[in-house]
Amino acid sequence: NAGVTQTPKFRVLKTGQSMTLLCAQDMNHEYMYWYRQDPGMGLRLIHYSVGAGITDQGEVPNGYNVSRSTTEDFPLRLLSAAPSQTSVYFCASRTRQGPNTGELFFGEGSRLTVL
Amino acid sequence: AQKVTQAQTEISVVEKEDVTLDCVYETRDTTYYLFWYKQPPSGELVFLIRRNSFDEQNEISGRYSWNFQKSTSSFNFTITASQVVDSAVYFCALSEAYYGGSQGNLIFGKGTKLSVKP
Repeated sequence: NAGVTQTPKFRVLKTGQSMTLLCAQDMNHEYMYWYRQDPGMGLRLIHYSVGAGITDQGEVPNGYNVSRSTTEDFPLRLLSAAPSQTSVYFCASRTRQGPNTGELFFGEGSRLTVL
Repeated sequence: AQKVTQAQTEISVVEKEDVTLDCVYETRDTTYYLFWYKQPPSGELVFLIRRNSFDEQNEISGRYSWNFQKSTSSFNFTITASQVVDSAVYFCALSEAYYGGSQGNLIFGKGTKLSVKP
């Protein structure tokens, strides 16, 4: 079972470069999320989506864009990377209904360094 | 606004000791869900438990137990007879209900790093 797959797992960028973190899930989950994890800060929500074509901002959306053209995919775009975006990024998904609703399934994380 | 506080940043214990990780939450909702996740040194996030606000029964799963008390807005996690493999960062999380206009996003605490030494 693949679950939630994130690529790449590691990336180093220079300030001002753009890149896209990919996230795909094969569980037909309606909801998908992007979190960033920084030391001492826990996980903070960047953007989320409740279905194809619907996205919304989380707690820390600035500097990031998302889209949701299919149920499976939820890419996160950094348009002009800044050192403050150095972090570990987690994609997650969950089902909207059923007894297991609420439980997030996480990808393995993507470690991004911006120099 | 919702908030989750894990006041213990780091805890260090010796193997076989019992340890309790504290979690205090704030929400105006009457229906909500509480979660615990584990992040071992390998970095992945592992779901441990979900509890809804209507179920205040304590839960035990092997060496793990959870104490949910609405009166004190706490959802504490106890590991009995800790083992080195329990070393990880543990996150408590809260989400509002999944009906109406609510999206049910999880709000995480900052985590407690548990180190279990042999």
